[in-house]
Amino acid sequence: GQQLNQSPQSMFIQEGEDVSMNCTSSSIFNTWLWYKQDPGEGPVLLIALYKAGELTSNGRLTAQFGITRKDSFLNISASIPSDVGIYFCAGNRDDKIIFGKGTRLHILP
Amino acid sequence: DSGVTQTPKHLITATGQRVTLRCSPRSGDLSVYWYQQSLDQGLQFLIQYYNGEERAKGNILERFSAQQFPDLHSELNLSSLELGDSALYFCASSPDTVYGQFFGPGTRLTVL
Repeated sequence: GQQLNQSPQSMFIQEGEDVSMNCTSSSIFNTWLWYKQDPGEGPVLLIALYKAGELTSNGRLTAQFGITRKDSFLNISASIPSDVGIYFCAGNRDDKIIFGKGTRLHILP
Repeated sequence: DSGVTQTPKHLITATGQRVTLRCSPRSGDLSVYWYQQSLDQGLQFLIQYYNGEERAKGNILERFSAQQFPDLHSELNLSSLELGDSALYFCASSPDTVYGQFFGPGTRLTVL
């Protein structure tokens, strides 16, 4: 079946650092989505990408839909404590949504 | 607050039992999705409905079923429950299938 490989699995960074994470797949997707989940809550949509090559920003977050349609990355600039959480990528193809296993972001004091 | 509501928030039941989880989508959203999240499996897509009709199926067990009603709320029925069904169950909604989804707060199911 279709798989999304999300990396890294976890990250430990200092406050103020930039963060980069990505998702790759062997399959093509029509839409790439990035979510953040805080403990005990549902995932929150951060950025949605609908076209290959599209680069979209949402505040300190920037995401890109890869040209091959098989990958996407998410960057967070100047991280702050509230960025802590699990970030999920998701790909949509034929109305089926597949989620990556998540990147857990830790910020060191 | 995403605008998606789910009830109940917590559910504790025994093996072999049947439960129903309920979801109300955001106002105006026609698509409803159900997901299962467990510690070792991540977010697993179960099923999607669009305007009352089943649109896509994921890894949904035969013991599970869902439906979307004319008022667009949806129910997920889980029967013959097993210990391994313990998980967080999320509902999400979107205006259409191509857009990003908005998740509800989830129902935590514990099967004892």
